[in-house]
Amino acid sequence: KNEVEQSPQNLTAQEGEFITINCSYSVGISALHWLQQHPGGGIVSLFMLSSGKKKHGRLIATINIQEKHSSLHITASHPRDSAVYICALNTGTASKLTFGTGTRLQVTL
Amino acid sequence: NAGVMQNPRHLVRRRGQEARLRCSPMKGHSHVYWYRQLPEEGLKFMVYLQKENIIDESGMPKERFSAEFPKEGPSILRIQQVVRGDSAAYFCASSLGQFSGNTIYFGEGSWLTVV
Repeated sequence: KNEVEQSPQNLTAQEGEFITINCSYSVGISALHWLQQHPGGGIVSLFMLSSGKKKHGRLIATINIQEKHSSLHITASHPRDSAVYICALNTGTASKLTFGTGTRLQVTL
Repeated sequence: NAGVMQNPRHLVRRRGQEARLRCSPMKGHSHVYWYRQLPEEGLKFMVYLQKENIIDESGMPKERFSAEFPKEGPSILRIQQVVRGDSAAYFCASSLGQFSGNTIYFGEGSWLTVV
């Protein structure tokens, strides 16, 4: 079993929809990251969480340490949100990351 | 303040040649991480370096791959005698400190194609 699982693997939404991407993990962590990767592009760090909830614009990330689960929400989705969203774990003291396989999001007009 | 800079962005090499990928971390960052993303696969950790030291190379293939982060200049990931299976995107990331509380910044990636 992978240490980190994301769902869904693929997601298609219409513009304006509320989107949720889930990340479950099975190991102890010191922090969890949500990353965004556009096709053929670089990786952008969206959030780093160790507890609770963070909000940035239309993006909200939550984490439940007891349940070993995190969610990334996108409100009022837009085609420019189309990308792969990756959950990554810090499992030790160093910043070395363990990555989920990503959720490919396509937002259509 | 420039972000993490990687070059080249795209590199084509014939089988058996050497590939050198460079990474300049964010200003003030002394911790560098290299990750590899094989086609249709997730990112995998390769190596973690601090200035002049390799801290963790547990994700590096035992042969043909090496990494360095000299006192002056960028970090370099070197792949000798490349094979088709080395074709991938190689991402560099940097952080200010060692610990997981530090935000990690990624570069744009270097896409290696072996023909």
